[in-house]
Amino acid sequence: DAGVIQSPRHEVTEMGQEVTLRCKPISGHNSLFWYRQTMMRGLELLIYFNNNVPIDDSGMPEDRFSAKMPNASFSTLKIQPSEPRDSAVYFCASKLQMNTEAFFGQGTRLTVV
Amino acid sequence: KNEVEQSPQNLTAQEGEFITINCSYSVGISALHWLQQHPGGGIVSLFMLSSGKKKHGRLIATINIQEKHSSLHITASHPRDSAVYICAASPGNQFYFGTGTSLTVIP
Repeated sequence: DAGVIQSPRHEVTEMGQEVTLRCKPISGHNSLFWYRQTMMRGLELLIYFNNNVPIDDSGMPEDRFSAKMPNASFSTLKIQPSEPRDSAVYFCASKLQMNTEAFFGQGTRLTVV
Repeated sequence: KNEVEQSPQNLTAQEGEFITINCSYSVGISALHWLQQHPGGGIVSLFMLSSGKKKHGRLIATINIQEKHSSLHITASHPRDSAVYICAASPGNQFYFGTGTSLTVIP
């Protein structure tokens, strides 16, 4: 397996634009997580899915953020409209099940200017 | 309130030195994870612990459940060990992350 695949690796966009980040989890993994990493706050959980169902989205900062998992092999994180304070590295991770190791993607570095 | 505290925040060592990074947590856990992140890179899981000790190559991780404390040790450190090491406490499916320890190993 190629591991967790995220795209794009880098994204630069203007304030106000819509941004969509994509994630393909490891095949067979039941849980998928979206994290955001900044210098100030470190790693923060945004949302996680179990069997494609959102379980905890309490970390989603505001309504501008939305995430979907239409099937077991694909998830998106959308920011609309984007703001400069959304600039961060966004990581996707997947796990086979609870209490197992997490596998992280390479991350998407988002810069909003 | 930080559920997970790591120390030190920054660490510089000479090649060959023995290194210890500490992690204390306040939440009940089912597992404790140690993660590694190289500059500009992705995040790799090093260990998942629920008790005792695990060893992988030059890396050793220990956990004391009663004291809610874990340590990551690196023996015979090497410049390629330079990275940020992150402790994560997992009560279930979620992670509570420490702020990370930035390690630099000088040749």
